[in-house]
Amino acid sequence: AQSVTQPDIHITVSEGASLELRCNYSYGATPYLFWYVQSPGQGLQLLLKYFSGDTLVQGIKGFEAEFKRSQSSFNLRKPSVHWSDAAEYFCAGFSGGYNKLIFGAGTRLAVHP
Amino acid sequence: EPEVTQTPSHQVTQMGQEVILRCVPISNHLYFYWYRQILGQKVEFLVSFYNNEISEKSEIFDDQFSVERPDGSNFTLKIRSTKLEDSAMYFCASSQEGIVTDTQYFGPGTRLTVL
Repeated sequence: AQSVTQPDIHITVSEGASLELRCNYSYGATPYLFWYVQSPGQGLQLLLKYFSGDTLVQGIKGFEAEFKRSQSSFNLRKPSVHWSDAAEYFCAGFSGGYNKLIFGAGTRLAVHP
Repeated sequence: EPEVTQTPSHQVTQMGQEVILRCVPISNHLYFYWYRQILGQKVEFLVSFYNNEISEKSEIFDDQFSVERPDGSNFTLKIRSTKLEDSAMYFCASSQEGIVTDTQYFGPGTRLTVL
């Protein structure tokens, strides 16, 4: 079955430090992968998406993600975290002709000043 | 920037009551979705809707659930007789096209509490 896994429930980093949020997927065919962010009281905002081609994709707010087929991973990175990045981050994907998103459990990011 | 809106932000209801959750998708979008997130669990797909028909639904979306686009702007989710386990955050989303490469834009959610 298709699935998306986020192994880390909570992560805390210091402001200015680098960030990597992990995401693993399980799909038979080429996956279509997304990262969304949810700030308190807000909807899910798309950060970036991967469909094909370059394995490193750039998103909004300085985020990037790297697709690694050999590791079935699509980790989200940011070189220097800002306090405003504190939020919950969701990895999601779907495969084939389906247009329903399958979400990971989310990773809640806290940023220390 | 256009956005998806949802009302109410929080709904409290008694078990067995009917609730209607409302969404206004982005105006030129053609595909609409409902997802839900039970506290502490994953965001789960409920249903997708296009051209006034359900295009796909999950196992969760049983006969107690229905969706409707009553006019040109609103998209609603009705739960006929709520159960305690329906307590969750419900997200509406819309996309311009229904293809996998198209972005789904999400609303802020409605928190449903069933007592």
